[in-house]
Amino acid sequence: GAGVSQSPRYKVAKRGQDVALRCDPISGHVSLFWYQQALGQGPEFLTYFQNEAQLDKSGLPSDRFFAERPEGSVSTLKIQRTQQEDSAVYLCASSALTYNNQPQHFGDGTRLSIL
Amino acid sequence: AQTVTQSQPEMSVQEAETVTLSCTYDTSESDYYLFWYKQPPSRQMILVIRQEAYKQQNATENRFSVNFQKAAKSFSLKISDSQLGDAAMYFCAYRSGNTGNQFYFGTGTSLTVIP
Repeated sequence: GAGVSQSPRYKVAKRGQDVALRCDPISGHVSLFWYQQALGQGPEFLTYFQNEAQLDKSGLPSDRFFAERPEGSVSTLKIQRTQQEDSAVYLCASSALTYNNQPQHFGDGTRLSIL
Repeated sequence: AQTVTQSQPEMSVQEAETVTLSCTYDTSESDYYLFWYKQPPSRQMILVIRQEAYKQQNATENRFSVNFQKAAKSFSLKISDSQLGDAAMYFCAYRSGNTGNQFYFGTGTSLTVIP
């Protein structure tokens, strides 16, 4: 596709369940980012991949959060034993190069609601 | 971590008029990049304009322009001839030119365009 694709668009889970969120970046984009956006807030960085290598995971809030990008393309963000505070929109972004002046292209996000 | 502050939670503008959205940031770096993103209700973050800190000239993209004051650490967005389609959340973002790859976002300004 032409843009960053995220699925599902909405996810409702019960507290304690595991969830997996998918991101399909723009074809050929080297860099991939995950952000968490709480209601009424700006996105906050979670983790960054350059190809298949996870170079920065400093933003992951706990060890319940895990991200992977095994073939340097599609990425999955997994949250184990979900808690109510995990409710947020999860945004994925990709960029073509690693230069820091490159804009990031964002997907529509996955809205996660934990009951 | 860098801090990005948007002090205007909400702004409104009459159609065809001009509006300025404020953004300040805190950094000790000299090399960095600044961005304005627009987020409509569809949730997709759309790049509006970007500015390299080493450039003295203010960036311009059609009806959108910035007033970049490096010494004051200020990066405001001016929207001229406002249109109904400009209504959205606007986020200011900072990205280091030296370390890390993630964006630091402000809390956003909700812009309403009045017909």
